[in-house]
Amino acid sequence: AQSVTQLDSHVSVSEGTPVLLRCNYSSSYSPSLFWYVQHPNKGLQLLLKYTSAATLVKGINGFEAEFKKSETSFHLTKPSAHMSDAAEYFCVVTGSTDSWGKLQFGAGTQVVVTP
Amino acid sequence: DTGVSQDPRHKITKRGQNVTFRCDPISEHNRLYWYRQTLGQGPEFLTYFQNEAQLEKSRLLSDRFSAERPKGSFSTLEIQRTEQGDSAMYLCASSPLRAGTNTGELFFGEGSRLTVL
Repeated sequence: AQSVTQLDSHVSVSEGTPVLLRCNYSSSYSPSLFWYVQHPNKGLQLLLKYTSAATLVKGINGFEAEFKKSETSFHLTKPSAHMSDAAEYFCVVTGSTDSWGKLQFGAGTQVVVTP
Repeated sequence: DTGVSQDPRHKITKRGQNVTFRCDPISEHNRLYWYRQTLGQGPEFLTYFQNEAQLEKSRLLSDRFSAERPKGSFSTLEIQRTEQGDSAMYLCASSPLRAGTNTGELFFGEGSRLTVL
C-alpha cells in the first residue's frame, strides 16, 4: 500500500520569498510521485512528476521537487513566490504500473501569498 | 476548449433523491476516472474505465453509486437515495493509455459540487 503525508495544512509566505511544501511518502515499491495544484474554481493541474529518473524534478511555473529515498520525502520548492501561486497543493503517489491512474492524494497544503 | 467538462457544476438536492453527473473526457483519452473530494481533504479514488470497461471500483463506491461509460466516450455517475454524507465535489479525470509507460498525469475537470440537504 502507498500513502503520502503533507506535513503542513497551511503555509503563508510573502511575495518574493521562497516556498517550501513538505511531503513524506510511504510505499511498498518504487513509487511514482507527483504534485498537483488546485486553484479556486479550477481543475487540478499537474505541476511535476517523479518516475524514477532524475531525483530533482522541475515543473511548471518555477516549481521543483527533490525525491529523497533515504528520507522518504518529496518536498516542493520555489525560490520566489508570486501572488498567482496562492492555491492548494497536493502531493500524490500512484500505484503499480497496472493501476497508475489510481492516485493517492495527500490532504493538501493551502498556500497564502501576502504582498 | 477541449478539456474535461463536467455537468452540472453545482447540484443541490434533498436527502433521498437521485442525482446524476456527466463527464465528457478529452476526446482521444481511453481512460476515465471518478474521484470524490470532501472539504479539507484530498480527492479519493472512486472508479475508472478503460474505454467502456469499468476496471476497478473503490470500496467507497457503495451500492447506491453506479458509474457507466456506455460507448467509451462520456461517463455518468449516478447516486441513488442520496444521504447528507454524499455532499462533496465529484471530480472526473481522463488520460490517454500509452502501453509500457507510466505517465501518471490525469487531466481533471472542474468538478460537480453536490449538496444534500
